[in-house]
Amino acid sequence: GAVVSQHPSRVICKSGTSVKIECRSLDFQATTMFWYRQFPKKSLMLMATSNEGSKATYEQGVEKDKFLINHASLTLSTLTVTSAHPEDSSFYICSARDPLDSFYTFGSGTRLTVV
Amino acid sequence: TQLLEQSPQFLSIQEGENLTVYCNSSSVFSSLQWYRQEPGEGPVLLVTVVTGGEVKKLKRLTFQFGDARKDSSLHITAAQPGDTGLYLCAGAPGGTYKYIFGTGTRLKVLA
Repeated sequence: GAVVSQHPSRVICKSGTSVKIECRSLDFQATTMFWYRQFPKKSLMLMATSNEGSKATYEQGVEKDKFLINHASLTLSTLTVTSAHPEDSSFYICSARDPLDSFYTFGSGTRLTVV
Repeated sequence: TQLLEQSPQFLSIQEGENLTVYCNSSSVFSSLQWYRQEPGEGPVLLVTVVTGGEVKKLKRLTFQFGDARKDSSLHITAAQPGDTGLYLCAGAPGGTYKYIFGTGTRLKVLA
């Protein structure tokens, strides 16, 4: 089945620094990937839709300059949290849809802690 | 605006009890998925419902898709501690590819 790899699984960074999270589709090509943020004991909130070769579509209230998304190839999307602050600490999850079926496959998530 | 509302938000029950989780929307979905998520992990797909009125069974779990494809339910029979987790419905409203999640139902089954 389709597999999505997300890296790193955990990262701790200092306030003011930037952190890059990678999301790779391992055995399929994904023209569209999704980035979600999850607060403790809450559901997944869609942050943005990543489109290969074009600009990402951000959800209302999500700062595009803070959460930079790049989808440079059909198998890789990256989310960069710029100038991180403690309030950016969260669980970030990516997903991708295999165009050959209707399933959305999820990465295992990245726990970001900003200190 | 949350397009997929789940109820209840929290549920704590004794082992052996039955429960139902609801997922409601004002939008039509071509399909809905149900996931279970453990802390610190990505969601794991349980089932996909596609046809209005469809009922799917997965061991002790029964999933139903509303006739109008705007709502769904998950019924668990004889809940076990291993059923504990966050249950999420999800889908792409209006046939779009924007994939959103419901508000979530946190279930705790006590032994």
